[in-house]
Amino acid sequence: GESVGLHLPTLSVQEGDNSIINCAYSNSASDYFIWYKQESGKGPQFIIDIRSNMDKRQGQRVTVLLNKTVKHLSLQIAATQPGDSAVYFCAEKEGGSEKLVFGKGTKLTVNP
Amino acid sequence: DAGITQSPRHKVTETGTPVTLRCHQTENHRYMYWYRQDPGHGLRLIHYSYGVKDTDKGEVSDGYSVSRSKTEDFLLTLESATSSQTSVYFCAISESYLGAQYFGPGTRLLVL
Repeated sequence: GESVGLHLPTLSVQEGDNSIINCAYSNSASDYFIWYKQESGKGPQFIIDIRSNMDKRQGQRVTVLLNKTVKHLSLQIAATQPGDSAVYFCAEKEGGSEKLVFGKGTKLTVNP
Repeated sequence: DAGITQSPRHKVTETGTPVTLRCHQTENHRYMYWYRQDPGHGLRLIHYSYGVKDTDKGEVSDGYSVSRSKTEDFLLTLESATSSQTSVYFCAISESYLGAQYFGPGTRLLVL
């Protein structure tokens, strides 16, 4: 089974609200994490990454938080826009591995 | 799509026929990956390459083979396509195994 991510849940928010998407992982040896966005009919798009020596990393309108104690990763999107509607999924990589393990994702719908 | 193209973008084929999908990159990245994406399973690694003529298996490699004769091209071959190989296939590239993977636009394959 999947060691990363939740079974595809959905999140519906109003335009302008902040969104929080969560991801759980089980491999305590994972030291690198990525969030991807996938729009319908397109390939996954890199959003932001974080290494295990950090707890927080910010990008443009996005913040990733890593809680290694409870093996939890979250993606915060500020002032969510209709263009943010997509499936978001996290991926993890064990230290020294060449492979990413992907979660199934969360479908975000932004209502105007 | 980070200088990655996939061809063909759509293909319909019959059971038992050979199929080759092509991934081409212009980024000169060392690592290339082939994934399949199916509902309920997320992205699953088929094969990957860590250099010209250097390849290794992923978690769902049965029925697939790959070749990489040039840095920029990574081919995925279904020797004898089956209906269970109906899927969306994504190619990804990475500069090193320590960093993020960037995805192509995908190929939709239907095996009748």
